[in-house]
Amino acid sequence: QQQVKQSPQSLIVQKGGISIINCAYENTAFDYFPWYQQFPGKGPALLIAIRPDVSEKKEGRFTISFNKSAKQFSLHIMDSQPGDSATYFCAASKETSGSRLTFGEGTQLTVNP
Amino acid sequence: EPEVTQTPSHQVTQMGQEVILRCVPISNHLYFYWYRQILGQKVEFLVSFYNNEISEKSEIFDDQFSVERPDGSNFTLKIRSTKLEDSAMYFCASKREKLFFGSGTQLSVL
Repeated sequence: QQQVKQSPQSLIVQKGGISIINCAYENTAFDYFPWYQQFPGKGPALLIAIRPDVSEKKEGRFTISFNKSAKQFSLHIMDSQPGDSATYFCAASKETSGSRLTFGEGTQLTVNP
Repeated sequence: EPEVTQTPSHQVTQMGQEVILRCVPISNHLYFYWYRQILGQKVEFLVSFYNNEISEKSEIFDDQFSVERPDGSNFTLKIRSTKLEDSAMYFCASKREKLFFGSGTQLSVL
């Protein structure tokens, strides 16, 4: 019930291409879905987040698509750059203050120049 | 930008020893957390702390673990008797509206 499943495990994209990472969740009580970016030796950093009252949210080159009926959400990185090479984690939580995040397994993204 | 500070960045200890991992959360934040990440695996929730008490803990956070906010600025995680399987990167995080993570302490138990 608490799991968040993420795919693919790794992704290689050419510079300028679109990177797509997918997540699925089980717990219908989740109502906050962030994506985190992690560089080696650093902690996860919030990239973008969505709540289930909208189906899409865009910030710059990053877009979250959300499908409530399918319990799935995805991150799209447009015009991928070598500097985007990092590990990306989806996560989910209940939007009560202070509640825990449940993370996906992570996707290692490599953007080739 | 304000940041969550963790010390030390690396800690090596012998099995059975006690370790204390230290964190200085962002100063006006209200919620404090510890997460851990075993090499190559997902980030896992350990414990959350609010209003000077534990608000939630995971099944990982057993009697060997404790947290403390001794002086209003530091937030510590103590592992009383470390096991080999405690080897992981431990992340402190704090939140007012957004959650911020520190850079982590890499704990190696030998």
